[in-house]
Formats: sequence, structure tokens, C-alpha cells
Amino acid sequence: AQSVTQLGSHVSVSEGALVLLRCNYSSSVPPYLFWYVQYPNQGLQLLLKYTTGATLVKGINGFEAEFKKSETSFHLTKPSAHMSDAAEYFCAVSFNAGGTSYGKLTFGQGTILTVHP
Amino acid sequence: EAGVVQSPRYKIIEKKQPVAFWCNPISGHNTLYWYLQNLGQGPELLIRYENEEAVDDSQLPKDRFSAERLKGVDSTLKIQPAELGDSAVYLCASSLARTGGSRNTEAFFGQGTRLTVV
Repeated sequence: AQSVTQLGSHVSVSEGALVLLRCNYSSSVPPYLFWYVQYPNQGLQLLLKYTTGATLVKGINGFEAEFKKSETSFHLTKPSAHMSDAAEYFCAVSFNAGGTSYGKLTFGQGTILTVHP
Repeated sequence: EAGVVQSPRYKIIEKKQPVAFWCNPISGHNTLYWYLQNLGQGPELLIRYENEEAVDDSQLPKDRFSAERLKGVDSTLKIQPAELGDSAVYLCASSLARTGGSRNTEAFFGQGTRLTVV
């Protein structure tokens, strides 16, 4: 079974400050890892994903995340927060294996990011 | 290129009434998902289709929920009868077929249907 834990349901930062959103996962097989962003009354938009290869992944809007297998983590960072980054962020895990679970995304509970001036 | 289209965006119904949601996936995407998102929670998979076949419906409450994707393109999700606890956002997503390769794991989401049962 796979699961995702996002530490901190709310994170507040100042504009220009570092953004760090934490995600830990549990998976019995090598995972695919994703970060999605959700703006109010909108669907989910993919920020970035890790499947194979380089463990530091760069995404849209200046976000990046690093897959650390030893720590089972996939934390999301951005060096300088912008007001437009205020949204809810979801970490998710999937894996490319056989059976009915293929492609199924298991999401964390979400972290609401607030950016204040 | 159009993204995943869902309708309606919002729906308010009285309990015990039926309701249906519609989803049109991205053209060429053979895999379609329905997710349920409760307030303050991450989405949870209800059902996944590969073309017209439901390959994972283990989380679908079959006593009141049903889904179909008759021609392997658009899909409907139905609740009958609706209960107060069904108030949530219902998200549809699609991805390329299961033909291998990491590219095929990316799911694209629609804007969702927000259901309120009163």
C-alpha cells in the first residue's frame, strides 16, 4: 500500500521568502512522485513530477523538488515566494506497475500556502 | 488544445435526489479517472477507466454510485439517491494509455463539479 503525508496543513511565508512544503511517502515499490497546485474553485495543475533519473526536479513557476529515497521524502521548494503562489498544494504518489493500481494517484491531505506582503 | 472539461461546475440538490456529472477527457487520452475531494482533503480515486473498461472501481460506493464510459471517450458519474455526506468536489482526470513510459503517468484534471446536498 502507498500513502502520502504532508507535514503542516497551513504554511505562511512573507513575499520573497523561501517556500518549503514537506512531503513524505510510503511505497512498497519505486514511486512516481508529483506535486499539484490547486487555486480556489479550480482543478489540480501539475507543478512537477519525478519518475526516474535526476532526483532534483524543476517545475513550473520556479518550483523544484528533490526525491530523497533514504528519507522517503519529496519536499517542494521555491527560493522566493510570490503573492501569486498562494494556493493549496498536494503531494501525490503513483507507481508504474501491473495490476489495477496502475496510474492511481494517492494524494496527501494538502498544504495551504499563504503569502503575505 | 482543450483540457479536461467537466459539467456542471456547481450543483445544488436536495437529499435523496439523483445527480449526474459529465466529463470529456483530453482527446486521445484513453485513461479516465473520477476522484472525490472532500473539503480540506486530497482527492481520492473513485474509479479508473481504460477505454470503456472500468479497471479499478474498488473505491466506488456501488450502492448509490454508478459510472459509465460507453464509447471510451466521455464519461458520466451518477449518484442516486444523494446523501448529505456526498457534498464534495468531483474531479475528472485523464491520461495517455498504459503503454509504458513515464510520460503516460501524468494525469490532467478538470475544474471539478462542486456538489452541495441540502
